[in-house]
Amino acid sequence: GAVVSQHPSWVICKSGTSVKIECRSLDFQATTMFWYRQFPKQSLMLMATSNEGSKATYEQGVEKDKFLINHASLTLSTLTVTSAHPEDSSFYICSAAGLTNTEAFFGQGTRLTVV
Amino acid sequence: RKEVEQDPGPFNVPEGATVAFNCTYSNSASQSFFWYRQDCRKEPKLLMSVYSSGNEDGRFTAQLNRASQYISLLIRDSKLSDSATYLCAVNDNFNKFYFGSGTKLNVKP
Repeated sequence: GAVVSQHPSWVICKSGTSVKIECRSLDFQATTMFWYRQFPKQSLMLMATSNEGSKATYEQGVEKDKFLINHASLTLSTLTVTSAHPEDSSFYICSAAGLTNTEAFFGQGTRLTVV
Repeated sequence: RKEVEQDPGPFNVPEGATVAFNCTYSNSASQSFFWYRQDCRKEPKLLMSVYSSGNEDGRFTAQLNRASQYISLLIRDSKLSDSATYLCAVNDNFNKFYFGSGTKLNVKP
């Protein structure tokens, strides 16, 4: 399957700081990228969908000013958690789909801990 | 109403058992359907796509029922290594992927 690389794998940050997570499609052009959040023992929750070159579409209840998504190229999308708080601690996963893909491929996920 | 719903389980089965999971979806215009497997603290991995005619891959069989809006996954001859959480996913007509909450499977010796 296609390869999606997510970085960093884990990060610990202080409350009030911002954290950027990168998601790269390594061997295909990702026209659409998805960002999910998963709390312990809970399901993957779609946060937002981004298409290359346009603004992300956020799911209901997700603050767009807090979770900044940029999808500037066909191989890179970034999620920035601004002014992080302990309740933002979670597992963040991206997935990517290309025009010819009917399925989405996942990055390895980023475990964020805000202290 | 959730886009995709699954029984969270857990399903506790002995090795060699046959186990089946169902998943219902709310959007009748959904285009594509998938089963993913997620191991603890890891990202989901695609297990198989689900086609209208049904498809089989070794011990795994997936089926789609558009009329009733559900997909199913059957695992035969369960192995200890099958223990994981199984997520169904639905791709709607705007190319968004929605996931079920996952069904946890524990295969016991």
